Amino acid sequence: GESVGLHLPTLSVQEGDNSIINCAYSNSASDYFIWYKQESGKGPQFIIDIRSNMDKRQGQRVTVLLNKTVKHLSLQIAATQPGDSAVYFCAENGETSGSRLTFGEGTQLTVNP
Amino acid sequence: GAGVSQSPRYKVAKRGQDVALRCDPISGHVSLFWYQQALGQGPEFLTYFQNEAQLDKSGLPSDRFFAERPEGSVSTLKIQRTQQEDSAVYLCASSRSRKNGYTFGSGTRLTVV
Repeated sequence: GESVGLHLPTLSVQEGDNSIINCAYSNSASDYFIWYKQESGKGPQFIIDIRSNMDKRQGQRVTVLLNKTVKHLSLQIAATQPGDSAVYFCAENGETSGSRLTFGEGTQLTVNP
Repeated sequence: GAGVSQSPRYKVAKRGQDVALRCDPISGHVSLFWYQQALGQGPEFLTYFQNEAQLDKSGLPSDRFFAERPEGSVSTLKIQRTQQEDSAVYLCASSRSRKNGYTFGSGTRLTVV
């Protein structure tokens, strides 16, 4: 079936370093992607989204890159802080999947002070 | 309200008991989603409403699960005759439209004993 998955289940970085979290998706019809941050005991928190007509989108300290050729999505976090420690999920949506989001497994990011 | 509100935050049910979980979406958001999240996993789609119409319920795991949104705002997810495998966090999300961000609530953690 169609799926969205992450390459690395865990990522540990030093405070101040840049972090890169990767995501592969298999549905070529996906045209909308979202990155979520989920802290323990909380719901997923929207970080940034990107539509398929874009390759890159920047927010505050975050950048999402989309490579439709290889169906790959990445989230870059600049100057990672301890408060960035959480599980990060990518999610995708496409016309063929109605309005539902399909989530990957998640990457646990740990920022060491 | 400013965000998606879910209640209760925690629910412990005895096996066989019926439960009802409530979601109050962001005002004006026509789309409402229910997701189930098992420990250490990404959220899994359950069902989707556009206003009061349930347009997709393909993710509901059994006929013990039932959702409604009678007036197009507040939604209730009901689980009848709960079983241990129903233990999970139930997340609600709302959105203005596809490709326009999906905001999640904090979820209801259901434990069936």
